[in-house]
Amino acid sequence: AQSVTQPDIHITVSEGASLELRCNYSYGATPYLFWYVQSPGQGLQLLLKYFSGDTLVQGIKGFEAEFKRSQSSFNLRKPSVHWSDAAEYFCAVGARSNFGNEKLTFGTGTRLTIIP
Amino acid sequence: EAGVTQFPSHSVIEKGQTVTLRCDPISGHDNLYWYRRVMGKEIKFLLHFVKESKQDESGMPNNRFLAERTGGTYSTLKVQPAELEDSGVYFCASSRGLPPYEQYFGPGTRLTVT
Repeated sequence: AQSVTQPDIHITVSEGASLELRCNYSYGATPYLFWYVQSPGQGLQLLLKYFSGDTLVQGIKGFEAEFKRSQSSFNLRKPSVHWSDAAEYFCAVGARSNFGNEKLTFGTGTRLTIIP
Repeated sequence: EAGVTQFPSHSVIEKGQTVTLRCDPISGHDNLYWYRRVMGKEIKFLLHFVKESKQDESGMPNNRFLAERTGGTYSTLKVQPAELEDSGVYFCASSRGLPPYEQYFGPGTRLTVT
């Protein structure tokens, strides 16, 4: 069965500083990988996804993530955070199947706090 | 296009009562999913509809939970009778079933069982 680990429950960074959120997954083959963000009072918004091809993927709001097969990781990065990035971030893995549209398995989330 | 909508946004009920949550997916999305997040834990899959058929209901906790999807459009998730451990945020998501297989999430329904 697939699983996702987000080792950091809470991270605090200063506005303008760089950010890296860690995500490790367990899956027998190459999975679909996603990062979602949930701002206070909002639903889950897709930041970026990896299906195949280039292992460095760009997303919305200036985020990027790199798929590293050897490390089973899909870490999320941003070079300079803004106060509006304060939210909870979820890494998720989706199984590959003939349907290509299977359930997602989520990590426990990382809450990001931005200080001025 | 309108996003995934869920109703109600928040529900507070007593143990033993019944609650029905509703999800309206994005128009044209054949795939509809229910997920739940219990306080402090990960978001967990409950079930997956393709049109009106249940494709995967392996995540449903027990037979107190009943999901339906009428005519392949909106879906309801009924909890009867509710228990304290059912409290959490229930998310609905939908997707087209074609690449890139993105699931679009609704804002969630916060269920509190007292």
